[in-house]
Amino acid sequence: RKEVEQDPGPFNVPEGATVAFNCTYSNSASQSFFWYRQDCRKEPKLLMSVYSSGNEDGRFTAQLNRASQYISLLIRDSKLSDSATYLCVVKGGWNNLFFGTGTRLTVIP
Amino acid sequence: DAGVIQSPRHEVTEMGQEVTLRCKPISGHDYLFWYRQTMMRGLELLIYFNNNVPIDDSGMPEDRFSAKMPNASFSTLKIQPSEPRDSAVYFCASSLPYGQGGFYEQYFGPGTRLTVT
Repeated sequence: RKEVEQDPGPFNVPEGATVAFNCTYSNSASQSFFWYRQDCRKEPKLLMSVYSSGNEDGRFTAQLNRASQYISLLIRDSKLSDSATYLCVVKGGWNNLFFGTGTRLTVIP
Repeated sequence: DAGVIQSPRHEVTEMGQEVTLRCKPISGHDYLFWYRQTMMRGLELLIYFNNNVPIDDSGMPEDRFSAKMPNASFSTLKIQPSEPRDSAVYFCASSLPYGQGGFYEQYFGPGTRLTVT
């Protein structure tokens, strides 16, 4: 079983739409969670951490449900520049990260 | 500040040839990670180092792959002999020492796109 599973999409949404991505993780002992963003043919970059109480950064909201081992990312008022692949990430032991395969988003004008 | 530096950016080689990928982490980072990314399998951790010492190499696919970190500012990933199924983008990433704020964030290099024909 994979450490992190995501819906690969693709999600094609119009500008201004709200879109949500979900992922599940297998290790109930995991403590740290993140969303990374990867633009086409570029390297992944940290988008935001995911805190137990949920957290918001502008148009982006991340939530964690430990009981269900489920992480979500909500993007409001989608912009063309949000088009990318969003990677769900769970921290393992020491300092290694487990990456989901990513959910591809295309925002359409 | 310079980010993680990788070379070459693109490599095309024939099956059976040796391939060496290079990485320079961000100065002051003492964790270094090698990943491989393919469409089918996504981003896979191959090996990571802490203070130049390999900590976990369980992701290295087979004996054809080897990685070294002779000093804090340089690491190599070698494939010998290369096979077509090794074609992928190979990323190097680094992060701050454990305990420092934000140590969990990994900074990725631009990647090496490897094609084995």
